[in-house]
Amino acid sequence: DAGITQSPRHKVTETGTPVTLRCHQTENHRYMYWYRQDPGHGLRLIHYSYGVKDTDKGEVSDGYSVSRSKTEDFLLTLESATSSQTSVYFCAISEAGPSYGYTFGSGTRLTVV
Amino acid sequence: DQQVKQNSPSLSVQEGRISILNCDYTNSMFDYFLWYKKYPAEGPTFLISISSIKDKNEDGRFTVFLNKSAKHLSLHIVPSQPGDSAVYFCAASNTGTASKLTFGTGTRLQVTL
Repeated sequence: DAGITQSPRHKVTETGTPVTLRCHQTENHRYMYWYRQDPGHGLRLIHYSYGVKDTDKGEVSDGYSVSRSKTEDFLLTLESATSSQTSVYFCAISEAGPSYGYTFGSGTRLTVV
Repeated sequence: DQQVKQNSPSLSVQEGRISILNCDYTNSMFDYFLWYKKYPAEGPTFLISISSIKDKNEDGRFTVFLNKSAKHLSLHIVPSQPGDSAVYFCAASNTGTASKLTFGTGTRLQVTL
């Protein structure tokens, strides 16, 4: 595999609780991304990072925050989980931008009850 | 506002025949296009890409065609094999801006025996 792991793989949490998903890479790639996959919507960008401490919002960033304190880790936090955030979350890495292709992790299935 | 559209949610093709997956986009600033393949419980994997300066790119059984005037691209798989059964996502980027991919909603391809 390309050296990208997501944890946890599955999580069930209650509405209103904070949740943090972790993406870890061993490729030393500059760019990291968080996407969510939902039926009828495909993959939608939540947040992305173009370097340590450099992050920006994607198209569905409301209710989410991210942090990247070191190259290898990109954390996605749901401050107060809602049922609408039930989804499959994918992390991706890229060496030099999307034109070089992303490598995706295996995903985290999050259920908010 | 769906900037990348895959209007066929599913497609069924017999083994050995050609599979044609279609994708339309609305943002004229997109200049790089990619196709990803996704199996259940796995992350998407990069399949093939094309720059806007080309109208065709071929890699083995996979060929991507780009029609810029129609803002349309297609993925041809010849011959189709049962292992090609997966969800295919079209994606686009503007390499002049931040490193983000915009994905379509996906097409589920089933290759039957």
